[in-house]
Amino acid sequence: DAKTTQPNSMESNEEEPVHLPCNHSTISGTDYIHWYRQLPSQGPEYVIHGLTSNVNNRMASLAIAEDRKSSTLILHRATLRDAAVYYCILRRSNSGYALNFGKGTSLLVTP
Amino acid sequence: GAVVSQHPSWVICKSGTSVKIECRSLDFQATTMFWYRQFPKQSLMLMATSNEGSKATYEQGVEKDKFLINHASLTLSTLTVTSAHPEDSSFYICSARGLDTGELFFGEGSRLTVL
Repeated sequence: DAKTTQPNSMESNEEEPVHLPCNHSTISGTDYIHWYRQLPSQGPEYVIHGLTSNVNNRMASLAIAEDRKSSTLILHRATLRDAAVYYCILRRSNSGYALNFGKGTSLLVTP
Repeated sequence: GAVVSQHPSWVICKSGTSVKIECRSLDFQATTMFWYRQFPKQSLMLMATSNEGSKATYEQGVEKDKFLINHASLTLSTLTVTSAHPEDSSFYICSARGLDTGELFFGEGSRLTVL
């Protein structure tokens, strides 16, 4: 599987936008970009995923670079409940649905 | 979204005993379920892929005789940690694939402590 690189941690103020970066320079054409987050002592939660075009849903937006070698998860207004570890994961479309988690970015949201 | 439930949420057992963890998809049928393990301050590690009606596929380094996985129905998969030892203490998380979207839905996790 292609590898992703994320900052270990980031900090944001409450009610401000947060941009969480992810580098995936070895991404292949059939790799989907998935984002999950994990709150303390809970299982991961799906956030968003995309292939080539930018994606929006009620939780977040996903901005994918034109060359697809990087992407950014955007939380439009961070709340205290958004404090979690955010994982950027590549999943090859023909390799089944198992996800291999990296270390992720630990997001701290301060009031 | 779809709901995946695990039971028990936490369990404490003595060394040498076996522990069974259940993973249920509550409102959808899951032909494939996945089991993960997470040690403190570490990321999730995929242990095995469980397909309904067939033997599980284990990741390299995961002992299939120690971590028994059964996926007898489309809504239930079980993980049994046999002859548990303190080093098996971990957070075990299951997930199931949603048929329509392909996204994975995760259970709440089961924390195992082996004394």
